[in-house]
Amino acid sequence: NAGVTQTPKFRVLKTGQSMTLLCAQDMNHEYMYWYRQDPGMGLRLIHYSVGEGTTAKGEVPDGYNVSRLKKQNFLLGLESAAPSQTSVYFCASRLIRSNEQFFGPGTRLTVL
Amino acid sequence: GEDVEQSLFLSVREGDSSVINCTYTDSSSTYLYWYKQEPGAGLQLLTYIFSNMDMKQDQRLTVLLNKKDKHLSLRIADTQTGDSAIYFCAEIFQTGANNLFFGTGTRLTVIP
Repeated sequence: NAGVTQTPKFRVLKTGQSMTLLCAQDMNHEYMYWYRQDPGMGLRLIHYSVGEGTTAKGEVPDGYNVSRLKKQNFLLGLESAAPSQTSVYFCASRLIRSNEQFFGPGTRLTVL
Repeated sequence: GEDVEQSLFLSVREGDSSVINCTYTDSSSTYLYWYKQEPGAGLQLLTYIFSNMDMKQDQRLTVLLNKKDKHLSLRIADTQTGDSAIYFCAEIFQTGANNLFFGTGTRLTVIP
């Protein structure tokens, strides 16, 4: 039981490049989340999904897109990376009947 | 959005008690949470309290809730070096998805 995993762990991009971050969970959780963590600002919700095929915007969705084609996977895309997107990105998931979120180890992204 | 505030830093000596404070804004929050983030890792749920409780104790952890002042605190008794981490409080934002709003995080440093 791996829990929540994230790929890759680290990435450096140039401004304007695109990339996709992958989150996978093997706990059959319905809800999945993408957060970004910046110094002094805590975690801010980017997008979330309440089930396969559904996504919704969080607090800071601009510049990001997401897809949930399979229940166990939640992808976060950056179409044209900007230096302001330099951050640590965390994925989380939970069961529909629980409020406890389980977090992945994070992806550190640097945009030059 | 919601505004959950915490002090950024706290230093204590090993063996002393630590008290981490949090103020939140949504008086309708049903649950309030404390998460711990160790260096280079994701967040882990430490404990939570239901909004109709004033206090909850779990081994070395004591959570106090003052609903009138919207103030939440986490006390760690007999603080150990392994307690050094960032601690986040979080409240549920009352929408259909019950998303969490996180505080800015308090970095606890335990001095041997």
